[in-house]
Amino acid sequence: DIVMTQSPDSLALSLGERASINCKSSQTVLHSSNNKNYLAWYQQKPGQPPKLVMYWASIRESGVPDRFTGSGSGTDFTLTISSLQTEDVAVYYCQQYYTTPYTFGQGTQLEIK
Amino acid sequence: EVRLLESGRGLVQPGGSLRLSCAASGFTFTNYAMSWVRQVPGKGLEWVSTISGSDGGTFYPDSVKGRFTISRDNSKNTAYLQMTSLRAEDTAVYYCARIATSATYGLFEYWGQGALVTVSS
Repeated sequence: DIVMTQSPDSLALSLGERASINCKSSQTVLHSSNNKNYLAWYQQKPGQPPKLVMYWASIRESGVPDRFTGSGSGTDFTLTISSLQTEDVAVYYCQQYYTTPYTFGQGTQLEIK
Repeated sequence: EVRLLESGRGLVQPGGSLRLSCAASGFTFTNYAMSWVRQVPGKGLEWVSTISGSDGGTFYPDSVKGRFTISRDNSKNTAYLQMTSLRAEDTAVYYCARIATSATYGLFEYWGQGALVTVSS
């Protein structure tokens, strides 16, 4: 199984600050046939289901603000929020869809300081 | 608007069975694979099963293989998760999710609100 490891486990920043969440996979999720990284990011707010925010590592889902950016390739990825807003408070999960079993990171709790 | 509505939540004894349903609307159901993903309250996410839209092919992780069965009724726009031989560690919120495209079987684009399953004596 591909193990997804996120860092940090939690992050507390001030409004307007830049937030970076890291995700590392135990093996590559870059498919050589199409040069795409099978890596997604989800945002989960309290009492709500997860919401897809990024896929193919760097493509924003429709409606996601452009302050969200995804980067990385192979085994190392980052989700960056350029200027933290109140509504960004949530748990963020990375997930690989390269192969079954599809696996998620343990989550990163993002809070306002 | 895509909508997924789970039903069938409940309390079941260890070793028992339960069936969850997921009623879908807002898209052409037969065109999309469907999945179930679970979350122990306060913990992380675990993929549980996927069924293709067309040929009904199914996929499971080892943790539930042989105990859980995913199915669908395209005439009712509904997906199901039949759970048997339930264990305490199966206690979780079970989310129904729609796969993004046929080329991205593990990409969960839309999620339902979830159904809580509690396995306890």
